[in-house]
Amino acid sequence: EDKVVQSPLSLVVHEGDTVTLNCSYEVTNFRSLLWYKQEKKAPTFLFMLTSSGIEKKSGRLSSILDKKELSSILNITATQTGDSAIYLCAALPHGGSQGNLIFGKGTKLSVKP
Amino acid sequence: DVKVTQSSRYLVKRTGEKVFLECVQDMDHENMFWYRQDPGLGLRLIYFSYDVKMKEKGDIPEGYSVSREKKERFSLILESASTNQTSMYLCASSPGGGNSPLHFGNGTRLTVT
Repeated sequence: EDKVVQSPLSLVVHEGDTVTLNCSYEVTNFRSLLWYKQEKKAPTFLFMLTSSGIEKKSGRLSSILDKKELSSILNITATQTGDSAIYLCAALPHGGSQGNLIFGKGTKLSVKP
Repeated sequence: DVKVTQSSRYLVKRTGEKVFLECVQDMDHENMFWYRQDPGLGLRLIYFSYDVKMKEKGDIPEGYSVSREKKERFSLILESASTNQTSMYLCASSPGGGNSPLHFGNGTRLTVT
């Protein structure tokens, strides 16, 4: 059975810390991995990763995919209280659509002032 | 910006009631999705639709049905609400094809008493 596992499930850090969130997947015919950030409301899209080893960056957030290790990490540097959220990762198989997206359970990040 | 609007932010219903959750998107997206999100279980797909009048079962369709009479609107129906359907319900949409991220609505927190 296809699955996506995120770790840790929750994390508490202080402002200014750097955090690394992990996502591992076991997906038949894997195509892409997506990261979302969910604050109190709708999850918002962060990154889609298809190629191994190519880092994607957006401000203080960056992410990379390792197809050999079947995993991805999301890094947040110089964390701020506004980074507090649930971070979701999801795997998309080949030949499928977003109806086949497999979500992990999320990592709840709390950033304390 | 894509807007996915869910008609209610909070809803309280009684056991046995018929419940309609409405979702409208304004970007002419072909694909629409209904998820429920529960602590410790993550996001689970209930139903999705690739086109008007088309629907596909997701991972947990039991106790739910859907309707897509117009491209922009996707309704989730709980025929006879039960307490185990208390949850956060998230609607999402995406363009046709399989390689675009989902755009989520703000969610409806449904409580069934």
